[in-house]
Amino acid sequence: DAKTTQPTSMDCAEGRAANLPCNHSTISGNEYVYWYRQIHSQGPQYIIHGLKNNETNEMASLIITEDRKSSTLILPHATLRDTAVYYCIALQSGYSTLTFGKGTMLLVSP
Amino acid sequence: GAVVSQHPSRVICKSGTSVKIECRSLDFQATTMFWYRQFPKQSLMLMATSNEGSKATYEQGVEKDKFLINHASLTLSTLTVTSAHPEDSSFYICSALSPNQPQHFGDGTRLSIL
Repeated sequence: DAKTTQPTSMDCAEGRAANLPCNHSTISGNEYVYWYRQIHSQGPQYIIHGLKNNETNEMASLIITEDRKSSTLILPHATLRDTAVYYCIALQSGYSTLTFGKGTMLLVSP
Repeated sequence: GAVVSQHPSRVICKSGTSVKIECRSLDFQATTMFWYRQFPKQSLMLMATSNEGSKATYEQGVEKDKFLINHASLTLSTLTVTSAHPEDSSFYICSALSPNQPQHFGDGTRLSIL
């Protein structure tokens, strides 16, 4: 699976949009970009995934650049409960082993 | 949405005890289940992969005789930490996978060996 690079930490004010970047410059054509988050002392939670089109669900939006070398996870209105470590993972379709890097620690403040 | 239940959420026991952790997929059939371990301030590390009805595949450095995995049905996998010692204290997390669905995780089991 392609290596991904994320900032170690980010801050966001409550109610504002949180934009979490991820670089995956070596991603191959059949690798999806998956996002998970882990709130302290809980298991990871699936957020969203995409291949090349932008995706949106009730939790977040995923913007993937046209060359697929990077992506951004957007939490449109961050709340205190969104404070967590966010993981960006490149994964082939049907290849099921997730490899977690260090992720981005997002701190949402009042 | 997909729900994975993990039990117990916390275990405290004496050194030498064996501990069993259960992982259930509540509303879907999981063809594959995974077991991870997470030490403080570190990321999740995959321990083993199990498919229903077959032997688990362990990652390098994980002792299969120490961490017994049973995946007897499409909705239940168990991890037994045998003769646990303080160095086995960790956060153990399971996940479940069904075809064409993202992997979903349990809420983890915090194991403390005294």
